[in-house]
Amino acid sequence: QVTLKESGPGMLQPSKTLSLTCSFSGFSLNTSGMVVNWFRQPSGKSLEWLAAIDWDGDKYYNPSLKSRLTFSKDTSNTQVFLKITSVDIADTATYYCARRLRGSGFDYWGQGVMVTVSS
Amino acid sequence: DIVMTQAPLSVSVTPGESASISCRSSKSLLHSNGITYVYWYLQKPGKSPQLLIYRMSDLASGVPDRFSGSGSETDFTLKISRVEAEDVGIYYCGQLLENPNTFGAGTKLEL
Repeated sequence: QVTLKESGPGMLQPSKTLSLTCSFSGFSLNTSGMVVNWFRQPSGKSLEWLAAIDWDGDKYYNPSLKSRLTFSKDTSNTQVFLKITSVDIADTATYYCARRLRGSGFDYWGQGVMVTVSS
Repeated sequence: DIVMTQAPLSVSVTPGESASISCRSSKSLLHSNGITYVYWYLQKPGKSPQLLIYRMSDLASGVPDRFSGSGSETDFTLKISRVEAEDVGIYYCGQLLENPNTFGAGTKLEL
């Protein structure tokens, strides 16, 4: 059974660093073609793809946010981490992680974690 | 970035009838390998998105065959036959041809 679950601080102040964790099971990030992705969705708005890490350890970032994003994974390949530096109110959103196997689409998503940036 | 434009923004359907949602990309999503990298997702109220259609016309696992996808290189359609109450939510098209992967603004389906 494939599952993903996001965790985060819930609320943080502007200018701080947001740290998010995606814990997953039921699949291996070592599988050829496997990619784990981060997205966010402000309330009432569409989805924004943020970053991805693939089975080779290669990382991909949305150019609009690249300077503020850092994507990493743990050595057991059961968790991935996303850090967003210098957060602003505009970073308030629900953050999701999802997996993709090659071109088959984002077929499993986490439940999402809501993050509010407020002073 | 590839811009995905959806229409309409909302659609109201009588249960049992059909509904169609359109999506247009600012660039051809047809890869040289012959695959068109457009996808459809449904986000039910308060839930995470779920994959409906991948590679323009392939039905994702567990998705009823009332859902179908079609299109050309830049114009795509999601058709829902015999709409049911469980189909209510926001439908998004997305592209995987290039990074950053991008999504349309969404189409809200109501009964």
